Formats: sequence, C-alpha cells, structure tokens
Amino acid sequence: EPEVTQTPSHQVTQMGQEVILHCVPISNHLYFYWYRQILGQKVEFLVSFYNNEISEKSEIFDDQFSVERPDGSNFTLKIRSTKLEDSAMYFCASSDDFLLRDTQYFGPGTRLTVL
Amino acid sequence: DAKTTQPNSMESNEEEPVHLPCNHSTISGTDYIHWYRQLPSQGPEYVIHGLTSNVNNRMASLAIAEDRKSSTLILHRATLRDAAVYYCILSASSGNTPLVFGKGTRLSVIA
Repeated sequence: EPEVTQTPSHQVTQMGQEVILHCVPISNHLYFYWYRQILGQKVEFLVSFYNNEISEKSEIFDDQFSVERPDGSNFTLKIRSTKLEDSAMYFCASSDDFLLRDTQYFGPGTRLTVL
Repeated sequence: DAKTTQPNSMESNEEEPVHLPCNHSTISGTDYIHWYRQLPSQGPEYVIHGLTSNVNNRMASLAIAEDRKSSTLILHRATLRDAAVYYCILSASSGNTPLVFGKGTRLSVIA
C-alpha cells in the first residue's frame, strides 16, 4: 500500500539554525500538508499546498517557515531560524481529490529537537 | 470550524466491540464526519468518514445519527493494536481542508 515517507526520523539542531524536513507524499496525490504536535498536545495544522502554491496557512506558519515542492516527488518544510518552542513532531500528509475528499494520509513524522 | 465533543478516555476488553461516541451538534449540511486515530509514537491514521449514511470498511463502522448531531465509531472486535487516541473531525467537502484535531478519546484495550 502506498505511504507517505518522512526523513529524517529525528533531527536535533541548535537554536537559530535552519532545518529542512523532508516528505515524499503518495505519488498521485494533489494536496499536501504539514502539521505539528508538541509533546502532549494536539495535532496542529501548519500549511496546505496545492498546485505549487500555499492554499492555506495557520497563525503558527509565520515568516520563519516555508514550504517547497522542489521536484515531482519531494515536499519540504523549512524553518529558517529555529526556536526552542519549535521542538515538536512534524507530520506531513497528502490527499487525493474528489473521491477521497479530505482523507489525508500522514507520514510517521520527524521529531525536531531544538537545543 | 464546527466543534466535536468526545469523552477523554475509554477502556475496552480485547475481542469485545467498542463504541466511541462523538457529539457535533453544530454540524453544517456540507460537513463530512471523519475519524482518525493516532497510535503511540505514530502519525494520525485515517479510519473512516461519512456524510449521512452509515459506513463500513475493513477497519471500522461509522454510525451517524439521523439528525447528524452525533456519530459513533464502532470497532467490532478490539485488539491490543487498537489502543490509540481516536479523533472525530468535521470537515467541509472542499478537498483541501485542514483537519482540526481536538483532544480525542484515548482508548485503552485490556488483554
């Protein structure tokens, strides 16, 4: 069964450093998402992406964050200057159109630890 | 976003059916009812969704009240692997809708 993959599984970085989290969505999907989950808290939406542009973003997704689909398969989340409070699990998700509306398939996540 | 209300936790014995309730009294006519679950240390996983009629798939069944103000996720035979946090989420049928996760119901399965 096709699945969303994410790398790395765990990323440790120093405060102020840039990080890029990588995702490979399911190949025929059209919509892509990033969510995050701070330890012990709810899963929170960050951004959605369709047709090579951001469709929607939350208040969390400020100027420090950016997303890119550099080629036909990868979908990346960049945090320019990490803060301690960016430590969280980051989940990538993808979904198809129409017939499977809003059925999002999530990756296993990247645990980001900012020291 | 329309809100949902779920019990914080539930417990079930292995091999028994589990009924996980969800109230969504402010649901709008175009909102789909989605259920996701999150196993320990994993990403959320789609379980099932429906609009008005009851739905069955290989994982679970979804029973939707006639007035659509509540729904119940039914696991027919709980296994230890079903221990997870279950989220009931309403989503407009736009095909590009962010999911709004609440706290969900933490299901414990006892052997």
